[in-house]
Amino acid sequence: GAVVSQHPSWVICKSGTSVKIECRSLDFQATTMFWYRQFPKQSLMLMATSNEGSKATYEQGVEKDKFLINHASLTLSTLTVTSAHPEDSSFYICSAPTNEQFFGPGTRLTVL
Amino acid sequence: AQSVTQLDSQVPVFEEAPVELRCNYSSSVSVYLFWYVQYPNQGLQLLLKYLSGSTLVKGINGFEAEFNKSQTSFHLRKPSVHISDTAEYFCAVSGAGTSYGKLTFGQGTILTVHP
Repeated sequence: GAVVSQHPSWVICKSGTSVKIECRSLDFQATTMFWYRQFPKQSLMLMATSNEGSKATYEQGVEKDKFLINHASLTLSTLTVTSAHPEDSSFYICSAPTNEQFFGPGTRLTVL
Repeated sequence: AQSVTQLDSQVPVFEEAPVELRCNYSSSVSVYLFWYVQYPNQGLQLLLKYLSGSTLVKGINGFEAEFNKSQTSFHLRKPSVHISDTAEYFCAVSGAGTSYGKLTFGQGTILTVHP
């Protein structure tokens, strides 16, 4: 079946640095991907919709200049957390809206 | 706008007992409904989904859910749980068309199965 992968699965960075997270659809093409964020002991919240070949659309309250999304090909979307701070520490998960709604395995970001 | 309410934050049960995890939703349009399971430090695994057709949906690992439009509910059930079912479960809704896949999640229910 369709699979979505994410890389890295876990990253620690210093405050003020930028971190890039990749989301790949392995055996299908995805013109749209979604990025979610999950804080500890909380549910998932949609951050943004990544659109291949066009700008991402962000949910209310999500800073587009801080969370840069690039969907350069039909199989790859990237989320870059710029100037990361400890409050950005979270679990970031992407998904592709296939019939099965596949999710990636997630990326645990810890900002020190 | 859509919203999802999972009525129980934690559900403890004994092994081989039946379990029901409750989910109610609200939406002004037709929705698609999903249940996911999340094990610690892992992503989400789809248990089952309701898109259309029969209101009783069977999923993986022996789980099933019933879509009740009049009560706006989509409760998840399993007749006999195992220790390995211990995890967090999320109910989610999605709109149709261009909104398909933009999921609104409930708060999650932690299911703990005791021996």
